[in-house]
Amino acid sequence: LAKTTQPISMDSYEGQEVNITCSHNNIATNDYITWYQQFPSQGPRFIIQGYKTKVTNEVASLFIPADRKSSTLSLPRVSLSDTAVYYCLVGDAFGAGNMLTFGGGTRLMVKP
Amino acid sequence: GAGVSQTPSNKVTEKGKYVELRCDPISGHTALYWYRQSLGQGPEFLIYFQGTGAADDSGLPNDRFFAVRPEGSVSTLKIQRTERGDSAVYLCASSFYLAGSNEQFFGPGTRLTVL
Repeated sequence: LAKTTQPISMDSYEGQEVNITCSHNNIATNDYITWYQQFPSQGPRFIIQGYKTKVTNEVASLFIPADRKSSTLSLPRVSLSDTAVYYCLVGDAFGAGNMLTFGGGTRLMVKP
Repeated sequence: GAGVSQTPSNKVTEKGKYVELRCDPISGHTALYWYRQSLGQGPEFLIYFQGTGAADDSGLPNDRFFAVRPEGSVSTLKIQRTERGDSAVYLCASSFYLAGSNEQFFGPGTRLTVL
């Protein structure tokens, strides 16, 4: 089961790009990388998932280097509403139990 | 469409009592997950259902915890002889299981307080 390491917290300002990096040195061949966002008093919300290189959707981009030992979630032009906890998960999407370990997450604070 | 719903939203009970927490997943989702989350921590996996069967219950902390999903839709998490350490937010999620993807849709959670 791949362990992930993320910064505990980050601060940013409105309009800036935020990059949150997650380390997963023992990622396995079948493992995918998934990021979730959680606001206070709500359940986590899926942001993006990838296996290698770059994935982009309407809210974020995910950059994964060739060795896959880390990944970076990129949030373009953050707003105050992006203040939340962001979780990086690594696991085998075919084996559900492995995919379900949330670490402590990164608390992002966006300031005006 | 309707998301994942959980009832009750809050539950206060006394140590030693029995509680049931209910989860209504998104219609058509075959996979259902239970987590619990303590203050300041990430969600902790408890159990995962694929259809009616528990595909992975490795996260259940002890035999006081049990979950069912008899018809492959609604699920109930049951906690016997509650302890103060069981106080947490219990989250339910569902997904339409697709190979290579694991996008889970979470409910708002049930906040359990054991006095």
